[in-house]
Amino acid sequence: DNVLPQSPTTMAASPGEKVTITCHASSSGIYMNWHQQKSGASPKLWIYDTSKLASGVPDRFSGSGSGTSYSLTINTMETEDAATYYCQQCCSTPPITFGSGTKLEIK
Amino acid sequence: EVKLVESGGGLVQPGRSLKLSCAASGFNFNDYWMGWVRQAPGKGLEWIGEINKDGTTIKYNPSWKDKFTISRDNAQNTLYLQMSKLGSEDTAIYYCAREHYGCDYWGQGVMVTVSS
Repeated sequence: DNVLPQSPTTMAASPGEKVTITCHASSSGIYMNWHQQKSGASPKLWIYDTSKLASGVPDRFSGSGSGTSYSLTINTMETEDAATYYCQQCCSTPPITFGSGTKLEIK
Repeated sequence: EVKLVESGGGLVQPGRSLKLSCAASGFNFNDYWMGWVRQAPGKGLEWIGEINKDGTTIKYNPSWKDKFTISRDNAQNTLYLQMSKLGSEDTAIYYCAREHYGCDYWGQGVMVTVSS
């Protein structure tokens, strides 16, 4: 099963808290993106090419990583950030692989 | 504005086939690879496959051999997903996505329920 490990699987954070989600790629030299999915909605590209924020994404979000280890960080959690986040690697074999997902709830 | 609208979903009996469509607008369809992703109820995202700009190269998730066939009609700005021999495990929301180093725009999704 081609699924990238993400951690944690679920977590709850208080408003103002710092949040970090990690993803382990299957190989190096890939593009790593992150998608946000709220309940009942389709996913949205959130971070692309490891660290670039998609249009409209607040700058409290950041992405980092290299090799096979990547992360998404929220500097100060807000209620609207509650969602499931999926990492997604591109351009390896297979061409696209998603992470297992991290459900982030507000405490 | 990029818009992707899936259609063709619904209730289908086990063993039958179904073809989904995705109408694209707001961008030059001919310039992009396109793909399909599905999400079973309460589960994560699964990449199904992708098709290149002119439809001559198609790649599939190796997890499903011969289950899916992706095609496109650039004159109609439409992407297709043909699904065969459907089983209950294929019950999911099916999304089409524009691809540019990964999925950059998503449709709203269409529900497919496989049940007798």
